[in-house]
Amino acid sequence: EIVLTQSPATLSLSPGERATLSCRASQSVGPYLVWYQHRPGQAPRLLIYNAVNRATGIPARFSGSGSGTDFTLTISSLEPEDFAHYYCQQRGRTFGQGTKLEI
Amino acid sequence: EEQLLESGGGLVQPGGSLRLSCAASGFTFNNSPMSWVRQAPGKGLEWVSAISVSGGMTYYGDSVKGRFTISRDNSKSTLYLQMSSLRAEDTALYYCAKYRGSGTNYGMDIWGHGTTVTVSS
Repeated sequence: EIVLTQSPATLSLSPGERATLSCRASQSVGPYLVWYQHRPGQAPRLLIYNAVNRATGIPARFSGSGSGTDFTLTISSLEPEDFAHYYCQQRGRTFGQGTKLEI
Repeated sequence: EEQLLESGGGLVQPGGSLRLSCAASGFTFNNSPMSWVRQAPGKGLEWVSAISVSGGMTYYGDSVKGRFTISRDNSKSTLYLQMSSLRAEDTALYYCAKYRGSGTNYGMDIWGHGTTVTVSS
């Protein structure tokens, strides 16, 4: 079973700052890594698929990079609504444990 | 509008059974692989199960394998999760989700709002 490890567990930043979230896989998942945003009380929202492609309607400040085992989600300039939990997922199956992005 | 609406959650005793349903609308259900994902209180997202377009291929997470069964009725645009031998650790909010595209590698782009399952005596 492939294990995804996200870091950091919690990231404390201010609006306007840049956020960098990491996801590391225990073995290669090729390009098949996606990122979700999850706000309390809402359904998860697909942000990035195939490691680098923004999903429909996702703002350009969200970007993804990486392949194989090391992946990064970058939010270039944080908006107030970006403070949430973020999860990576491999091949539509296992999730990472999440990163909480807090103000 | 593409929508998923889960139902069937509730309180069940340990060892009991429950069947969740997920009604789809606004998209071509019989072209979409589907999945169940859960979130236990205070925990992260956990992938539970997935099913192919035809229903002929099913997949399960290790924690539910042998206890849960995923199925679908394309004529009713409905996804199901039959849960048996339930344990306290199955307590969670259960989401139904649609995979983006024709496979399962590209993430889940449509989610329901979830139905709560509580396993307790």
